[in-house]
Amino acid sequence: EPEVTQTPSHQVTQMGQEVILRCVPISNHLYFYWYRQILGQKVEFLVSFYNNEISEKSEIFDDQFSVERPDGSNFTLKIRSTKLEDSAMYFCASSKTSGTSWNEQFFGPGTRLTVL
Amino acid sequence: AQSVTQLGSHVSVSEGALVLLRCNYSSSVPPYLFWYVQYPNQGLQLLLKYTSAATLVKGINGFEAEFKKSETSFHLTKPSAHMSDAAEYFCAVMPAGGTSYGKLTFGQGTILTVHP
Repeated sequence: EPEVTQTPSHQVTQMGQEVILRCVPISNHLYFYWYRQILGQKVEFLVSFYNNEISEKSEIFDDQFSVERPDGSNFTLKIRSTKLEDSAMYFCASSKTSGTSWNEQFFGPGTRLTVL
Repeated sequence: AQSVTQLGSHVSVSEGALVLLRCNYSSSVPPYLFWYVQYPNQGLQLLLKYTSAATLVKGINGFEAEFKKSETSFHLTKPSAHMSDAAEYFCAVMPAGGTSYGKLTFGQGTILTVHP
């Protein structure tokens, strides 16, 4: 069964460093998402991406964050200069379409980012 | 704006007992509602969804949920808990149409423990 994969499963970085979290969405899906969950808090929407551009982003998704689909398979989240408060579990998701008919979002297992 | 409240961050039941996980939502437009389950070291998996068809929705693993508009609730139930149901459960809401389709807003999660 197709699934969303994410690498690495755990990333440790120093404050101020750049990190790139990678996701491989399900191959025939067109919409891509990033969510994050800070320990003990809710899963929060960061950004949605369609047709090589951002569809929607939350107020969390500031200039330190960027997303890219560098090739036909990967979907990446870059944090330019990490802060301690960026430590969280980051989930990637994909869906066939969005629009006015609902389509299930399939989630990856997450990348745990620890900023020291 | 939308929000989801899950009553009880931890619920503990005995094997064979009724499972009831509570979810209340707030939404300015008709919502789609979801329950996701997360097993350790895995991604979020869709249990069931309400997308404005039948108000009683059946999902995987014997779970069901009832959409009650008057109570703004979407509680998750299972008549008889199994040890394998132990996991974290998330209620989520998505606006049905509009400019934010695709974006899920999650509750804070409920950890279900099942005792032998």
